[in-house]
Amino acid sequence: NAGVTQTPKFQVLKTGQSMTLQCAQDMNHNSMYWYRQDPGMGLRLIYYSASEGTTDKGEVPNGYNVSRLNKREFSLRLESAAPSQTSVYFCASTIHSQYEQYFGPGTRLTVT
Amino acid sequence: DAKTTQPNSMESNEEEPVHLPCNHSTISGTDYIHWYRQLPSQGPEYVIHGLTSNVNNRMASLAIAEDRKSSTLILHRATLRDAAVYYCILIDSNYQLIWGAGTKLIIKP
Repeated sequence: NAGVTQTPKFQVLKTGQSMTLQCAQDMNHNSMYWYRQDPGMGLRLIYYSASEGTTDKGEVPNGYNVSRLNKREFSLRLESAAPSQTSVYFCASTIHSQYEQYFGPGTRLTVT
Repeated sequence: DAKTTQPNSMESNEEEPVHLPCNHSTISGTDYIHWYRQLPSQGPEYVIHGLTSNVNNRMASLAIAEDRKSSTLILHRATLRDAAVYYCILIDSNYQLIWGAGTKLIIKP
C-alpha cells in the first residue's frame, strides 16, 4: 500500500496564478483532510471531507476550494494564489474522525 | 474549540524515559486525546490516542488524568530517532481540531 500520496512535492507560483494539489489514499478511509503548516507552527485545518460527497470548512478555508472526487481522492485548489499562502500543505486520511490520521509527505508551495 | 498547551521544548538523555505533558483544561466529555510526532521535513506520524483510560502501544504510553484536564505521553526508553516535535491535540465528533505548536523533544546521546 502506498498510503497517502500527494502531488506535486514542490511548486512555485506567481501571485494570481491558480493550481490544484492532488491527494489520494489507498486505505479505503472515509475521511480526508487538508492542512497547512507555516514555519515553526502547528498544522491548521483548511478543509475536510467526513465522507465521500461531503466537504466542510476548517479553521482557515479562505482562498481555497476542495473537491472530494471519489472515496480515494481529495483535491485542494488555489484559485488566485497569494504570498500569504506560501506554506507546506499536508493531506491526511482516517477511517473515522476519532481514529488515527495518516499523513502524506506534503507539498511545499512558494508564492512569489 | 478545545485547546491544548505544551512546553515549547524538552531535553532528555538517550535510553532514559521521557514524560511529555499536555494541559487541556477545556476538554469536553467526547473529545479524544491524540498525540502525533513530526520529524524534520516529514508529515506528522500518529503515536497514540485515548479517551479516558490509560493506553499503551508499541511506541508509547498515554496517561490521562482522572479529570481529563491533562495527559502525559511516556516514551519508555528514548532513542535518537525519537527526536521530533510532539503534538497533543483534541479531536471532537465534529471533526474540528486545533494543533498547537507542540513540544520539541531533544535527545542527548
